[in-house]
Amino acid sequence: DAGVIQSPRHEVTEMGQEVTLRCKPISGHDYLFWYRQTMMRGLELLIYFNNNVPIDDSGMPEDRFSAKMPNASFSTLKIQPSEPRDSAVYFCASNTRGRDGELFFGEGSRLTVL
Amino acid sequence: SQQGEEDPQALSIQEGENATMNCSYKTSINNLQWYRQNSGRGLVHLILIRSNEREKHSGRLRVTLDTSKKSSSLLITASRAADTASYFCATDEGGSNYKLTFGKGTLLTVNP
Repeated sequence: DAGVIQSPRHEVTEMGQEVTLRCKPISGHDYLFWYRQTMMRGLELLIYFNNNVPIDDSGMPEDRFSAKMPNASFSTLKIQPSEPRDSAVYFCASNTRGRDGELFFGEGSRLTVL
Repeated sequence: SQQGEEDPQALSIQEGENATMNCSYKTSINNLQWYRQNSGRGLVHLILIRSNEREKHSGRLRVTLDTSKKSSSLLITASRAADTASYFCATDEGGSNYKLTFGKGTLLTVNP
């Protein structure tokens, strides 16, 4: 079975541009998590969904960030407008049991905002 | 705020030696998990230990959990160069919260 698929793997953009990161969770998984990883702050949970519904978005840094899950097989994380401090690796993960099961991570999207 | 904090931040050992990493957390938990991350890759789940368990084994991995001290340790026995990676603990916050929060990790280097 294919794992969690993220795209793009690498994105370089200029400050002020819109960035859209995409995630396809593992089929049958009903929890989806977006994390951000930086050297300074480590792995931060941004938002998670259950059955396509956002459950907790308290980790979303500010209004420039938004996430959607229009169906069970697709989610997006959008940053508009992007800023240099948004540079990080963004991970998507999914599972079937929330906190009670292992998370399956994608390979990440490395974002660089110039 | 960080729920889990790993210690040490970095560890360098020779192949064949054992590696021990520690994790401390702040609030009560339902379970604690350990993950591994190779450079430039996503995280991979290693083991989950529930709050009512004290020790768990998986291959060369041994995890302990002391809820009274709010701490856990991950032991990798007979380390190999391929074990070189960052290791993270992840905890929930108890209750009905389904979030998992990660520490900043321990970078393990196993020298051949």
